[in-house]
Amino acid sequence: ILNVEQSPQSLHVQEGDSTNFTCSFPSSNFYALHWYRWETAKSPEALFVMTLNGDEKKKGRISATLNTKEGYSYLYIKGSQPEDSATYLCAPRGFQKLVFGTGTRLLVSP
Amino acid sequence: NAGVTQTPKFQVLKTGQSMTLQCAQDMNHNSMYWYRQDPGMGLRLIYYSASEGTTDKGEVPNGYNVSRLNKREFSLRLESAAPSQTSVYFCASRTGQTSIYEQYFGPGTRLTVT
Repeated sequence: ILNVEQSPQSLHVQEGDSTNFTCSFPSSNFYALHWYRWETAKSPEALFVMTLNGDEKKKGRISATLNTKEGYSYLYIKGSQPEDSATYLCAPRGFQKLVFGTGTRLLVSP
Repeated sequence: NAGVTQTPKFQVLKTGQSMTLQCAQDMNHNSMYWYRQDPGMGLRLIYYSASEGTTDKGEVPNGYNVSRLNKREFSLRLESAAPSQTSVYFCASRTGQTSIYEQYFGPGTRLTVT
């Protein structure tokens, strides 16, 4: 069982602030790293899948980087907006399965 | 396309009762998954089915059984519900292509066992 840690557990920022979260995971037996966005009362939705060391993905104001050698990924949000409020989950992939972290809950106040 | 659907949305059971949570996907996906989500625990895998006709245990399978009825449907059964099984249950599916691994989640079933 992979041990996945996400920090911080929760974050409260003002609209326009930029922010970042961390996902740490064991670097052995690594296939890929997934990021999901999970809004309250909805289902998780995929944001990024990253496989290679040094991978960098971007979707609008959200970007993510991956370091497989040291076992971490960062998610960045530039100029946070209230609609970015959600829980952000990371999930490293082992064979056939994702192992989800407990998430970082982001609240963006107007 | 409805995507991944789950029924029921809400359910209250008494300890010892049984029930089946239904999940169906219309995306022709090979693999399907059942997770439970508890406060502070994140999503934990109960069972999964890599393809039609196969099922495997996940991280927390005790107290549950599954059936992959066909390619579309994957059900989760609680034979004798316990209060520890109070949780929100999510079904997910994905295509079999390893290059496209994105999992699509259903809306969840909120189960309370009293």
